[in-house]
Amino acid sequence: GGIITQTPKFLIGQEGQKLTLKCQQNFNHDTMYWYRQDSGKGLRLIYYSITENDLQKGDLSEGYDASREKKSSFSLTVTSAQKNEMAVFLCASSMGTGVYAEQFFGPGTRLTVL
Amino acid sequence: QQKVQQSPESLSVPEGGMASFNCTSSDRNFQYFWWYRQHSGEGPKALMSIFSDGDKKEGRFTAHLNKASLHVSLHIRDSQPSDSALYFCAATRNNNNRIFFGDGTQLVVKP
Repeated sequence: GGIITQTPKFLIGQEGQKLTLKCQQNFNHDTMYWYRQDSGKGLRLIYYSITENDLQKGDLSEGYDASREKKSSFSLTVTSAQKNEMAVFLCASSMGTGVYAEQFFGPGTRLTVL
Repeated sequence: QQKVQQSPESLSVPEGGMASFNCTSSDRNFQYFWWYRQHSGEGPKALMSIFSDGDKKEGRFTAHLNKASLHVSLHIRDSQPSDSALYFCAATRNNNNRIFFGDGTQLVVKP
């Protein structure tokens, strides 16, 4: 088995601030994902990376940057935090892509912007 | 338009009862389905996948897929309080790098 670690667990920022979230996986998976979840609702894909040095935009990439530094790590940057924003950011990984690719999720980073 | 629609939004069943969830894909290309479950404060975890017409049973969980109508359901028999969670349906297709999640159904199992 493996594990996905997300840091920090809680992140409090100020309006306009640049904030970085980090994700590490030891599954040796090729593909990694960043999702945003609002108020315990659905998952919206921000960015994904199918291999090291690859970056693909999801449905919600505006306002975010991402970086796949190496196979095991994937970072997400909120370029300018929005006032009163509250969301959970979930990192996931999978062995490859396609219909059989089960995604494994981390516990999430909870963002609050004051 | 969202590719995956789930119903109901929330569901309450007594302990030992049957919980049933529905899901439909609005895109005929997306006909491979997964069910994920998310307990409060945790990340989602895959429950089961279903890619062929008919039923697939894993313990207390049974999924049913009708590809003609792009409708998939999940049924939990003998529901336990520990089954209380947010249940997501997700759809994908061949030669696609990503999966699309529905908005989820919140299940509460009352002791």
